[in-house]
Amino acid sequence: AQKVTQAQTEISVVEKEDVTLDCVYETRDTTYYLFWYKQPPSGELVFLIRRNSFDEQNEISGRYSWNFQKSTSSFNFTITASQVVDSAVYFCALGRGGSQGNLIFGKGTKLSVKP
Amino acid sequence: GAGVSQSPSNKVTEKGKDVELRCDPISGHTALYWYRQSLGQGLEFLIYFQGNSAPDKSGLPSDRFSAERTGGSVSTLTIQRTQQEDSAVYLCASSFEGVYGYTFGSGTRLTVV
Repeated sequence: AQKVTQAQTEISVVEKEDVTLDCVYETRDTTYYLFWYKQPPSGELVFLIRRNSFDEQNEISGRYSWNFQKSTSSFNFTITASQVVDSAVYFCALGRGGSQGNLIFGKGTKLSVKP
Repeated sequence: GAGVSQSPSNKVTEKGKDVELRCDPISGHTALYWYRQSLGQGLEFLIYFQGNSAPDKSGLPSDRFSAERTGGSVSTLTIQRTQQEDSAVYLCASSFEGVYGYTFGSGTRLTVV
């Protein structure tokens, strides 16, 4: 069975703090993809990153970084020096390799960044 | 178009009525997906269209739900005899074949009263 668990339902931080959003996944596939999406209060889901199962290199994009560890089946997302505009619900998702296109989403983590 | 367009953005309907939700994907995208997001929940996969292949309907919650995609472009999700538990935001997304990280529309918020 495929499953994505985001154990943190809500996180609240003060601006400029670093924050890590956890994501743990389950799959029996050897080829798979992992994603993070951001859903701001406006509601539209914004794609942040896609990683495939063969690439465990960590990635940094500005204040965002992602730590993919197959040994622990985790794909955690860190925001450095958080800003109020980072307030949103963040979803981690798992996609199968091959031709099957639908993603399995976690329930999301609501991040509130206070000034 | 520039993005995935969904209409209407909001829909209030009476229990038992049928509703149609529309999705206009990004031009040239061959794959189209419907998801449902209930309050405080993650996204629940409903149905997936890929080119001319038979759609993957494995996520449809009941036979009251159906979807079609005409001409490989616009898709309509139909919910018959709506129930209160159908209240949710219905999200559409599209992508090129085999390319993940698809683009979502803004969704249709459906409220069944």
